[in-house]
This record gives sequence, structure tokens and C-alpha cells, in this order.
Amino acid sequence: GESVGLHLPTLSVQEGDNSIINCAYSNSASDYFIWYKQESGKGPQFIIDIRSNMDKRQGQRVTVLLNKTVKHLSLQIAATQPGDSAVYFCAEMPGGTSYGKLTFGQGTILTVHP
Amino acid sequence: DAGVIQSPRHEVTEMGQEVTLRCKPISGHNSLFWYRQTMMRGLELLIYFNNNVPIDDSGMPEDRFSAKMPNASFSTLKIQPSEPRDSAVYFCASSLTSWAGANVLTFGAGSRLTVL
Repeated sequence: GESVGLHLPTLSVQEGDNSIINCAYSNSASDYFIWYKQESGKGPQFIIDIRSNMDKRQGQRVTVLLNKTVKHLSLQIAATQPGDSAVYFCAEMPGGTSYGKLTFGQGTILTVHP
Repeated sequence: DAGVIQSPRHEVTEMGQEVTLRCKPISGHNSLFWYRQTMMRGLELLIYFNNNVPIDDSGMPEDRFSAKMPNASFSTLKIQPSEPRDSAVYFCASSLTSWAGANVLTFGAGSRLTVL
């Protein structure tokens, strides 16, 4: 039979707009979350992280929001630029002795049009 | 720092051949992870090490896959014999993990494997 790949969510925005990428995580015991950006042909690159004792964290042009009640994470990118076009992954890490083991979401494709 | 270094960047081989992927983690990092990325399954954790000791290999697909970390600066992922379904991009990542919780994983550029 024919193989079917993952159907990644996609988000298309115009340059200069704000982008919001959403992620639902699965493990209520997770206490650390990271957003990664992956450009074509490259490995995932760290963007921003947040611990479960926080609900918001800001970086340069990026903000991560965490809602533990509904196990939802979002990444907001302000003034999106063409260089922001990539696949964005959220990743979660359980508490305790996990040695940094991350479980990744399926990813969202962001396309920024000039 | 040169970051996490992986080799080869691309490998094309025939079914049945042995494949060895190599990784040099960031100096000072004490945890090392091997991930596999495919269109079908996304990013999957295969195995990870802490202080050169394998901690969890439950993600390794089958006995054809093996990984070693003989010292803090080198790890290998071996597939023997390789099969077409092993075709994927294999990423190595490293981090500095402490009792207070792990820091960020830094990924290498990946090794793209094609098994014909």
C-alpha cells in the first residue's frame, strides 16, 4: 500500500505580521518545554524554553505561552520575517531524572511571504 | 565551539550493507542523544547516554541498530544490516544535564541515509 507521511499543520503569513504557532502536549508530568526551529537541510535549532512554574516567557521577537490546565503551548513571533520560514517543533521533558530526554511534537510549517 | 559534529552528512548504500554514523558532542556536555527523522514518524528518540552510559535504548527499532559511546567526545550509531526502511535523517544532539534539570539540547546538522 502507499505510505502516508505526517500531514504537518501549516501557517502562511505576510512579512511583518505576527505569527502564532500552537502545540498540544501529552504528558501532564512534563515540566520543561522548548521550541525549536528547523530550516531545510539543518538540525533543529533552539528558540526559547519555559519551565512549568511559568506561564509566559519572552525573548527577542518571540514569546512562549504555557497553559498547563489544557496542556497547551504557543509560540508567538512578532514582525515575522522571510528568514523565519521553517518547521517549528515544540518539545516536552518530564520532570525527575530524565537526563534531558525530549519528546517532540510533529511540527508546524511556517511560510512567510515577502 | 564548533557545535555537535556529525559524519557523514550524506550516505547512500545498498540494502544489507553496514552503516556507521558518527557524532562528536559539544565539549563539556554530559548527555548525548540519537534521533531519527522521517516524514512518516517525525523526530523519534532512538537512544541516549549520560556520562557515556546508555540510559534508555527503548527507541532503538530492532537488533540491527546499535549505539556506543566509548568516551565523552565520540559516539557511533551502527545499522547492520541496513534496509530501505532505515532511510532517514539521523541527528545527534548533546546537552549539559545537572540535578537541577537538563539544559537545552544542541543538535548536529544530521546524517542523511539512503538505503537502496
